Amino acid sequence: AQTVTQSQPEMSVQEAETVTLSCTYDTSESDYYLFWYKQPPSRQMILVIRQEAYKQQNATENRFSVNFQKAAKSFSLKISDSQLGDAAMYFCALPHGQNFVFGPGTRLSVLP
Amino acid sequence: ETGVTQTPRHLVMGMTNKKSLKCEQHLGHNAMYWYKQSAKKPLELMFVYNFKEQTENNSVPSRFSPECPNSSHLFLHLHTLQPEDSALYLCASSQGFTRGNTIYFGEGSWLTVV
Repeated sequence: AQTVTQSQPEMSVQEAETVTLSCTYDTSESDYYLFWYKQPPSRQMILVIRQEAYKQQNATENRFSVNFQKAAKSFSLKISDSQLGDAAMYFCALPHGQNFVFGPGTRLSVLP
Repeated sequence: ETGVTQTPRHLVMGMTNKKSLKCEQHLGHNAMYWYKQSAKKPLELMFVYNFKEQTENNSVPSRFSPECPNSSHLFLHLHTLQPEDSALYLCASSQGFTRGNTIYFGEGSWLTVV
């Protein structure tokens, strides 16, 4: 079965600093994608970044980057130069068939 | 801005009421989803539709009845709900189930059952 674990229910970071959110997963597939989604207080879930398992290079989107360790089944999200607007719930997700399996989320607070 | 719109944003209903949640996607996608988001629980997939055909029902109680008249619209009909059904209901869409396809969410409908 596909599982996604996020071991940090809450995290905080000082504005302009860097924070890393952890995600581990389990899958029996060899070719897959992983996603990070952000859900700000307005509640719309939006895509932050995605990674294809076959690509060795870690994905990067502006201030957001991932550290993908396929053998360890780890997929962490690094946010650089944190901004107040980064405060949100962050979900790690693993597609499986017609479903996306989501982790329980990490609530990120950004301190001014 | 959002390519997936949900109405109403907030709904309070009694346990004997019948109400519906509506979702519309403007992205040209062919797959649509209903997810339930409860406090302190991971997102739970409820239903999936592909080209208007239901392709997955994740053991959802019959008091939730989905309807997909076309690839752009999705409804969730609610009848005789229980207080534990109070949650945020998220609609989403995607361009099929090909690996790597992104799923896009609406802002959600917050349901309170009293």
